[in-house]
Amino acid sequence: GAGVSQSPSNKVTEKGKDVELRCDPISGHTALYWYRQSLGQGLEFLIYFQGNSAPDKSGLPSDRFSAERTGGSVSTLTIQRTQQEDSAVYLCASSSPGTSNFSQYFGPGTRLTVT
Amino acid sequence: QKEVEQDPGPLSVPEGAIVSLNCTYSNSAFQYFMWYRQYSRKGPELLMYTYSSGNKEDGRFTAQVDKSSKYISLFIRDSQPSDSATYLCAARPGLNKFYFGSGTKLNVKP
Repeated sequence: GAGVSQSPSNKVTEKGKDVELRCDPISGHTALYWYRQSLGQGLEFLIYFQGNSAPDKSGLPSDRFSAERTGGSVSTLTIQRTQQEDSAVYLCASSSPGTSNFSQYFGPGTRLTVT
Repeated sequence: QKEVEQDPGPLSVPEGAIVSLNCTYSNSAFQYFMWYRQYSRKGPELLMYTYSSGNKEDGRFTAQVDKSSKYISLFIRDSQPSDSATYLCAARPGLNKFYFGSGTKLNVKP
């Protein structure tokens, strides 16, 4: 079956512009996560959606970052007024906590470069 | 202090060597432990997961968790050049968010 997909795969934007990153989770997965991975760094948690519950936004680095998940499926991460330090790979993952496999499945990521 | 700490390496070993990768964690509520492998320019992929303490073996890979010392290990036997990647450990307390280590870069030389 289809895995997690993300678009675009690469995005180059000018400082100060807004960007939207999209994530399509695995069908039926109720949990969706966004992470940021800077060069040589581990995964930095950004936000977590679980079903219809209020999202856990505790990892968002500033109010320039926001995310939404429509219809419990597709999610969009928006970065407003991008800064050079926002350059990173943005990874999306989904999981299905109701099963015995508590892992999460990652998309290929969106590589964001802010010039 | 990060929730999960991991030595970033890089770790370089000859082909056929036994590799030991390790993490420590601070939150005693963590119950689920995972190892991910990430190839360059790819998303992480799950290698193994374990619940609570103990060992789990899958082919050349063994995951070990010691909750008393809050220590997570991954052993790779008969390492191959194709094992060259970054290995990330992760932990979670239950049905909510994951906490990742920073990853250890492994290079297996032919």
